[in-house]
Amino acid sequence: GAVVSQHPSWVICKSGTSVKIECRSLDFQATTMFWYRQFPKQSLMLMATSNEGSKATYEQGVEKDKFLINHASLTLSTLTVTSAHPEDSSFYICSAFFQRGGDHLKAYGYTFGSGTRLTVV
Amino acid sequence: GENVEQHPSTLSVQEGDSAVIKCTYSDSASNYFPWYKQELGKRPQLIIDIRSNVGEKKDQRIAVTLNKTAKHFSLHITETQPEDSAVYFCAASEYFGNEKLTFGTGTRLTIIP
Repeated sequence: GAVVSQHPSWVICKSGTSVKIECRSLDFQATTMFWYRQFPKQSLMLMATSNEGSKATYEQGVEKDKFLINHASLTLSTLTVTSAHPEDSSFYICSAFFQRGGDHLKAYGYTFGSGTRLTVV
Repeated sequence: GENVEQHPSTLSVQEGDSAVIKCTYSDSASNYFPWYKQELGKRPQLIIDIRSNVGEKKDQRIAVTLNKTAKHFSLHITETQPEDSAVYFCAASEYFGNEKLTFGTGTRLTIIP
């Protein structure tokens, strides 16, 4: 349970084009989706936090006009890399918090999508 | 904001020996501390977590300890096996729930057969 499906798993695009990455929560409602970027041999760096039905919150240094985030429903959040350039090549991964069991909190945590390897040529 | 430091960045241990990875955090409000294992090109996998109301948690060969006063927590892996080789990340969250995780810099663990 608590699965986030992320697509595509990899994409190669030409410089200047846009790429959309989708994350769907399959068996729970994700009111918040976290979007991370991970460069080779580095840690996961939070780019932005998307909330269903409202504007995303971007971390310092992340261009909101370049990385467009939409969270139109409780099960779908998308990240669009606009006018991609080679320096945007990275591993993008989404994550959401889940909780099951109500007050008893039988299961909880952060679940991650499988990641998208973006290569801009 | 929260800052999480992780050491060492690389660690090699003989199969069967123990491995310890340490993290420190800056925000005393943090109260949830998960540890993730990540293999190349894959998503992080939760291996153990701890909340600030406990000092230690164990799951078979894996344990985590938390010292809230000193603001550090550690991952302990005993009887290491080759399949334990991976990159391990610690993380911290200010609020247990829908709050962002701040990750440590990662430790590449290599188990030597």
